[in-house]
Amino acid sequence: EAQVTQNPRYLITVTGKKLTVTCSQNMNHEYMSWYRQDPGLGLRQIYYSMNVEVTDKGDVPEGYKVSRKEKRNFPLILESPSPNQTSLYFCASSLILPRGRTEAFFGQGTRLTVV
Amino acid sequence: AQTVTQSQPEMSVQEAETVTLSCTYDTSENNYYLFWYKQPPSRQMILVIRQEAYKQQNATENRFSVNFQKAAKSFSLKISDSQLGDTAMYFCAFMKLNKFYFGSGTKLNVKP
Repeated sequence: EAQVTQNPRYLITVTGKKLTVTCSQNMNHEYMSWYRQDPGLGLRQIYYSMNVEVTDKGDVPEGYKVSRKEKRNFPLILESPSPNQTSLYFCASSLILPRGRTEAFFGQGTRLTVV
Repeated sequence: AQTVTQSQPEMSVQEAETVTLSCTYDTSENNYYLFWYKQPPSRQMILVIRQEAYKQQNATENRFSVNFQKAAKSFSLKISDSQLGDTAMYFCAFMKLNKFYFGSGTKLNVKP
């Protein structure tokens, strides 16, 4: 079954304590990305990766890091979390198929609270 | 930059009736994709329907259909025979080169 798996689903942490949210996909997609969802703002892209060792900033990258050492994994790292990073986070992977079609999958979401 | 606007923060509909959710977008691109996603209380993002911009025919998936007006940059979602399980947040999204741009969402409440 095609899927994107995020862990953990829920996380409460304290300001300044480094954390990592993992993301793994089993579809051999080259493109992966992270989004955060905030009320009234929809989902906004944090970082993306077009392939192994190729990452770039999205629209709201401040305070986040990513890495892409393997094609299937794309972890999101918060070196020093702050309360304004309290949000719902989604990992996504996608692929543009022949004949103009596309497939895209989202993880289950990670609810992060920083106190 | 691409923007997506959902002007209805919240809507209600009676069970078995039809409801239409509005979405407009702004882009200078010609080839792109449009999506509607459903987000129930579980927070999972569930694909409802997808439209390729190069296709003139409106996409349909069972009770869900879209009215895609490319020149007007409009992409509304019609839900027929609404069911209680349709209660959720609905997001309209634009995708170009694998990047999504989302609207702010419409909260749909289906009443028994």
